[in-house]
Amino acid sequence: DGGITQSPKYLFRKEGQNVTLSCEQNLNHDAMYWYRQDPGQGLRLIYYSQIVNDFQKGDIAEGYSVSREKKESFPLTVTSAQKNPTAFYLCASSPQDRSSTEAFFGQGTRLTVV
Amino acid sequence: AQSVTQLDSQVPVFEEAPVELRCNYSSSVSVYLFWYVQYPNQGLQLLLKYLSGSTLVKGINGFEAEFNKSQTSFHLRKPSVHISDTAEYFCAVRTSSGYSTLTFGKGTMLLVSP
Repeated sequence: DGGITQSPKYLFRKEGQNVTLSCEQNLNHDAMYWYRQDPGQGLRLIYYSQIVNDFQKGDIAEGYSVSREKKESFPLTVTSAQKNPTAFYLCASSPQDRSSTEAFFGQGTRLTVV
Repeated sequence: AQSVTQLDSQVPVFEEAPVELRCNYSSSVSVYLFWYVQYPNQGLQLLLKYLSGSTLVKGINGFEAEFNKSQTSFHLRKPSVHISDTAEYFCAVRTSSGYSTLTFGKGTMLLVSP
């Protein structure tokens, strides 16, 4: 089945450690996104990429990094510079053509700093 | 830039009662509007979208929404809710021309009780 796979579903990290969240899609979508979700805050955009080897900062990029070496993959690294990394992270993708307008979401990764 | 305001953080309702979840947006250009649903610890699923044409949009699971340009609103309604509708609902907006990312509201938790 086509879709977006995020792994792992749950992730625990010690303070001061970097951690990478995986996002893979087989929908042949050009654009991919990372959102952070906190209770009562809605979804906030961290980074997005419209094409391979290119990405842009979203509203809350500080303390995060991404890469887009393949069309199918858009991993997110939460660095030690992110002061409050405990959150639910959602990856999404969308086509770039004008016939499609919405984003499709993965099942999320819940990151907890211990 | 666009913004979305969901006026209620929680809406409690009894099973089989009607419900309305409110959404207002702000934008200087024309927009597309979306409602997504999120069940606990899962990703977001598209309920419905407004692109153009008829202002009454029907979606999945018996939900519908009405676009009101003069009031910049896109309220979600269901005539009779079920226990299984308990979830968080997000309103989102993006511009209808050029490239833009989705901007989300903070969400409304719909709590359906027997």
